Amino acid sequence: ETGVTQTPRHLVMGMTNKKSLKCEQHLGHNAMYWYKQSAKKPLELMFVYNFKEQTENNSVPSRFSPECPNSSHLFLHLHTLQPEDSALYLCASSLYKGAGPANTGELFFGEGSRLTVL
Amino acid sequence: DAKTTQPPSMDCAEGRAANLPCNHSTISGNEYVYWYRQIHSQGPQYIIHGLKNNETNEMASLIITEDRKSSTLILPHATLRDTAVYYCIVKPYTGKLIFGQGTTLQVKP
Repeated sequence: ETGVTQTPRHLVMGMTNKKSLKCEQHLGHNAMYWYKQSAKKPLELMFVYNFKEQTENNSVPSRFSPECPNSSHLFLHLHTLQPEDSALYLCASSLYKGAGPANTGELFFGEGSRLTVL
Repeated sequence: DAKTTQPPSMDCAEGRAANLPCNHSTISGNEYVYWYRQIHSQGPQYIIHGLKNNETNEMASLIITEDRKSSTLILPHATLRDTAVYYCIVKPYTGKLIFGQGTTLQVKP
């Protein structure tokens, strides 16, 4: 148990469906992340939120829409996905203390949501 | 651009020390060396990090060469549960955590 909970753990959806992935952290962190892990590929950073504000979007297609309503919750809204979007989607959180060595740089990951797009 | 180089796979006998190498010859002065691992179908787990001094915690030891161009993660008594992909990452404290391919460590009985 890492303190980062992702739901659902498994999701199967058609290309015309709209679904959402949810992430919740109970660690008092203020930064949250979405990563994508496709088969046989390294984890890819998708989005970063600091203090509920998006600070990073790594050229992610608009069919992925993140939402961070507060520092404890992060969503990834999915619509009109493609089969190649099938992957493990991982959420992570960290405590950001501003620039400098006060930050440990340690991320806590959830177990992931396994998405299959048919 | 890849900032670290790791062997794709390694084997280790159960109960023996596992020594996982990492080359980071272009590391900058403000970049730290981080190690994470990912057990099959789980999220990555933080192991340890360091700047230039050797570090030890309850999970592992991190040995960084004096020129900081390479490091070794040591699991002192590997168990079957240590079988995982181990990632060596260099970044500043507030930099992004960018994963490479890592080293797949197989601990064998």
